[in-house]
Amino acid sequence: ELKVEQNPLFLSMQEGKNYTIYCNYSTTSDRLYWYRQDPGKSLESLFVLLSNGAVKQEGRLMASLDTKARLSTLHITAAVHDLSATYFCAVVNLNDMRFGAGTRLTVKP
Amino acid sequence: NAGVTQTPKFQVLKTGQSMTLQCAQDMNHEYMSWYRQDPGMGLRLIHYSVGAGITDQGEVPNGYNVSRSTTEDFPLRLLSAAPSQTSVYFCATRRPGGIGEQYFGPGTRLTVT
Repeated sequence: ELKVEQNPLFLSMQEGKNYTIYCNYSTTSDRLYWYRQDPGKSLESLFVLLSNGAVKQEGRLMASLDTKARLSTLHITAAVHDLSATYFCAVVNLNDMRFGAGTRLTVKP
Repeated sequence: NAGVTQTPKFQVLKTGQSMTLQCAQDMNHEYMSWYRQDPGMGLRLIHYSVGAGITDQGEVPNGYNVSRSTTEDFPLRLLSAAPSQTSVYFCATRRPGGIGEQYFGPGTRLTVT
């Protein structure tokens, strides 16, 4: 069964600091997604990672995928308050999609 | 181009009532799916469809029915609502081929009393 484990679940950061969110999954995957969700809102797509070694960057966020370790990371560089949100990873195997529990990120001045 | 739309935005039901959550898309995507989101648990897949006339169960299908008569619409039916179905429901579509980017609707907040 496809399982996705995300950690940490809660993350409080100072502005300007760096940190990494981890996403582990249990079985072979076709692709891995990272999403952002603001309170009361829908999910916003950040990255889609397809292959081993894939790295994508957008602004202060960078995502990578290691399919051999079944691990994806979302790295935050020099955090700013606007990045405060909940971040989810999700893994697809054929048509089955499983989400991590989410990381609630708070960036403090 | 509305993308993925869901109605209603909010709904309160009494235990045992039935209702249909509507989802429509204008992107001509074959793949559509329904998720529920409960606090601290992320999203869980209820049902999905890979095209008109084809549906399949996801991780948590019990208590829900779906059908797909057109590419555009994918309604989710609650047959006899239970308090355990209190949740936020999201519909999503996925672009065929390529990177398979997925688009989510705005969600329906359902409370069952």
